Amino acid sequence: DTAVSQTPKYLVTQMGNDKSIKCEQNLGHDTMYWYKQDSKKFLKIMFSYNNKELIINETVPNRFSPKSPDKAHLNLHINSLELGDSAVYFCASSQEAPLRGYTDTQYFGPGTRLTVL
Amino acid sequence: GIQVEQSPPDLILQEGANSTLRCNFSDSVNNLQWFHQNPWGQLINLFYIPSGTKQNGRLSATTVATERYSLLYISSSQTTDSGVYFCAVASLSNFGNEKLTFGTGTRLTIIP
Repeated sequence: DTAVSQTPKYLVTQMGNDKSIKCEQNLGHDTMYWYKQDSKKFLKIMFSYNNKELIINETVPNRFSPKSPDKAHLNLHINSLELGDSAVYFCASSQEAPLRGYTDTQYFGPGTRLTVL
Repeated sequence: GIQVEQSPPDLILQEGANSTLRCNFSDSVNNLQWFHQNPWGQLINLFYIPSGTKQNGRLSATTVATERYSLLYISSSQTTDSGVYFCAVASLSNFGNEKLTFGTGTRLTIIP
C-alpha cells in the first residue's frame, strides 16, 4: 500500500551517461514534484506537474527533463550526467496544485540515491 | 529569495527529554510545513501550520506568521524521534504559484 514509490532506490553510473528515475503515486493526487537533496541535506524543488502539465520549473539545467505520462506518474530523465548531479532525488505529491497564496500538504517518496562516478 | 534558517543545527538529548526546534524566515509566508527525515532518509510530513498551534501526540507546533518564526516541540523524546527536522515555507515560484523552500534542518539525536 505504498503511497509514493520511486525506482530505482540506488543508481550508480558513469559521467556522461543518461539515466531515468521513475515515480508513481497511488493517492489519487493531482500534483507531483521532484526535489533534489544534496550532500549537505539541503532540499530544493526542481519541477512540479499538475495533471500532466508543468507548473513549476526552477533553475535546473536543460539536461534534466521531467515527463508525466499521466497524473499518477512523474519520471525524471537526466542526460549527460555530471559529478555534481550526485544527490538524493525525492518525488512528492499533493492533492491540490500550488497556487499564488496556497500550497497543499506534500507527501514524499523514499528517495533515489544517484551516484555519478 | 526567501531565507529559512533553523536552529539549533544539531541537538543531542537523552531519551525522555523535551526539545524545542526553531524556524525563522525572512519574509511573510502563506504556509509552513514541518517534516521529519528519519535515519533511513524517509521524509514524513508532521504539520501543515501556516499560523497558530497544532498538536499531534508528543509533538506540537506553533507558527507566529507576523513575527516570521515557527517552533516545533517534542516532549518525552524517544530514540525513534532521531533524524533531521525541516521546516518548509511557501514562497513564490517563477511560475507565479507557490513552492516550498526548505530550511537548513536540525539534526536531532536521542540517546537511550
